[in-house]
Amino acid sequence: EIVLTQSPATLSLSPGERATLSCRASQSVSSYLAWYQQKPGQAPRLLIYDASDRATGIPARFSGSGSGTDFTLTISSLEPEDFAVYYCHQRSNWPLSTFGQGTKLEIK
Amino acid sequence: QVQLQESGPGLVKPSETLSLTCTVSDGSISSYYWSWIRQPPGKGLEWIGNGFHSGTTNYNPSLKSRLTISVDTSKNQFSLKLRSVTAADTAVYYCARDVTAFDIWGQGTMVTVSS
Repeated sequence: EIVLTQSPATLSLSPGERATLSCRASQSVSSYLAWYQQKPGQAPRLLIYDASDRATGIPARFSGSGSGTDFTLTISSLEPEDFAVYYCHQRSNWPLSTFGQGTKLEIK
Repeated sequence: QVQLQESGPGLVKPSETLSLTCTVSDGSISSYYWSWIRQPPGKGLEWIGNGFHSGTTNYNPSLKSRLTISVDTSKNQFSLKLRSVTAADTAVYYCARDVTAFDIWGQGTMVTVSS
């Protein structure tokens, strides 16, 4: 099983700041990496797929990068609605999928 | 825009079978794979399995022995049956469209396993 490790577990920042979230895979997942945002009581929302492609309707302040084992989700300037939990997800050995444990982005 | 809605009992007794249905609205259930994903309270996400309209199914190896997923094209629904449940199966269960990623999700339904 491919294990995804996200860091940090919690990130405390202020609106307007830049957020950088990391996801590391236990083995190469090529570019088959997605990112989701989840707010309390809601389903996850797809932000980024194939490592760097923004999903429909996702603001340009969200960007993804990386390939192989190291990936980054960057939020260029935080808006109040961006504070949430973020999960990475790999599907390199589809149909099997695994998720990271999540990074909580909280207001400082 | 395609919408998904989970339905089923919110409480299941230990050793019994958890049964959920996901209804696909404003779109056809054909042409895509459809997944079930769960999230225990306060924890992360776990992929359960998926199904295709042809009858093809794929399961998480950790759940495979207890799991059945099926797709009903006549009703535009897909379903999950998880047998012999325990408290560890208590979670929010989501259905999702399985494309290049899970691009569309249902709102989720909480299932508690308790006597």
